[in-house]
Amino acid sequence: DTAVSQTPKYLVTQMGNDKSIKCEQNLGHDTMYWYKQDSKKFLKIMFSYNNKELIINETVPNRFSPKSPDKAHLNLHINSLELGDSAVYFCASSPGLAGEDTQYFGPGTRLTVL
Amino acid sequence: QKEVEQDPGPLSVPEGAIVSLNCTYSNSAFQYFMWYRQYSRKGPELLMYTYSSGNKEDGRFTAQVDKSSKYISLFIRDSQPSDSATYLCAMSAWGGKLIFGQGTELSVKP
Repeated sequence: DTAVSQTPKYLVTQMGNDKSIKCEQNLGHDTMYWYKQDSKKFLKIMFSYNNKELIINETVPNRFSPKSPDKAHLNLHINSLELGDSAVYFCASSPGLAGEDTQYFGPGTRLTVL
Repeated sequence: QKEVEQDPGPLSVPEGAIVSLNCTYSNSAFQYFMWYRQYSRKGPELLMYTYSSGNKEDGRFTAQVDKSSKYISLFIRDSQPSDSATYLCAMSAWGGKLIFGQGTELSVKP
């Protein structure tokens, strides 16, 4: 019973390629997020969606485009991949946007750009 | 200067030791304070949550928040090898936007 799942788990690709990461949650939550964790373990929010509406859009290059087809799914498409995009990308979900709402993280997608 | 500062360690302690992990922050609007634990090659999981100032205890774990000093702590009593992980502090001023510290890598040696 995986609560937040991501595919693929590992992604190795060449510079300049376009790739997508998919996320699904079966917790019935309204809010989903994308985070990036760099090689120094620094975890930074990229986007959040609440009921399919974009709420947070941090200063992320516009090569990154999130898409939420429904409340249970949040995908991340990355165009023209660069070396600096290599990181672990985590999807998370929470019941809503209340400050006390716990965010549940997926297992991560380890992206390596060669 | 980062909004949340956390010593990345690594921190190595013997089994049974008391561990103290700390974060400082600069944004006085933060009201929600969390500690997440992240095992190697896994996603972070919530360990402790505190609203505003004060202490909270859960088993061997105690979280403290001192808003006047902009300082939060996590204490682990009787540390176990299974506590070996990276501990990330996180905080927010409003729901949804969590700001994380860099994480402290903890190793508890048997």
